[in-house]
Amino acid sequence: DIQMTQSPSTLSVSVGDTVTITCRASQNIGVWLAWYQQKPGKAPKLLIHEASSLESGVTSRFSGSRSGTEFTLTISSLQPDDSATYYCQQYKEHSTFGQGTKVEIK
Amino acid sequence: QMQLQESGPGSVKPSQTLSLTCTVSGGTIDSGAYYWSWIRQLPGKGLEWIGYIYSSGSTYYNASFESRATLSIDRSKKQFSLRLGSVTAADTAVYFCARGGRSLTAYYPNDYWGQGTLVTVSS
Repeated sequence: DIQMTQSPSTLSVSVGDTVTITCRASQNIGVWLAWYQQKPGKAPKLLIHEASSLESGVTSRFSGSRSGTEFTLTISSLQPDDSATYYCQQYKEHSTFGQGTKVEIK
Repeated sequence: QMQLQESGPGSVKPSQTLSLTCTVSGGTIDSGAYYWSWIRQLPGKGLEWIGYIYSSGSTYYNASFESRATLSIDRSKKQFSLRLGSVTAADTAVYFCARGGRSLTAYYPNDYWGQGTLVTVSS
């Protein structure tokens, strides 16, 4: 089974900051990595697929990148509405989610 | 716009079977490229994939659930269902249904999700 290791588990940041979240796959998954945003009481929302492709309607302040089996979600110019938990997911071999990163606004 | 909606009892007794249904609207359930997933979230915890089913009826399960979970699909009603047997308090969670997929050359993430339904296992 493919394991996903996501870090950090929490981030406390200020409005306007740039946030970086990392996810590492235990084996090669190619580009088949997605990032989701989840707010309390809501379903996850797809932000990025294929490691770096922005989902339609999602602000370009979100971006994704890949280096081998390491993937990064970057949120630029953080806004109050970005306060949420973010999950990575590999979907090449069934599905595995990362542990989640809670982004809190100071 | 495709929508998914979970339905089923919000409470189940220990050792009984949890049964949930997801109804798809605003799109087809019949596309061979897509599969229909169940994902759960324990209280205050992360997301856990349970399994998925294609419109053909082919199923794939997380090994952690394979002995207890059964997925089925009713294409005429545009519904797919989860049955999880021998539940315990540890199965108390929000259960989501979602669409994913794959083709010959690509894989697709979970792009449409239901709102989720809380199922509590308690006597």
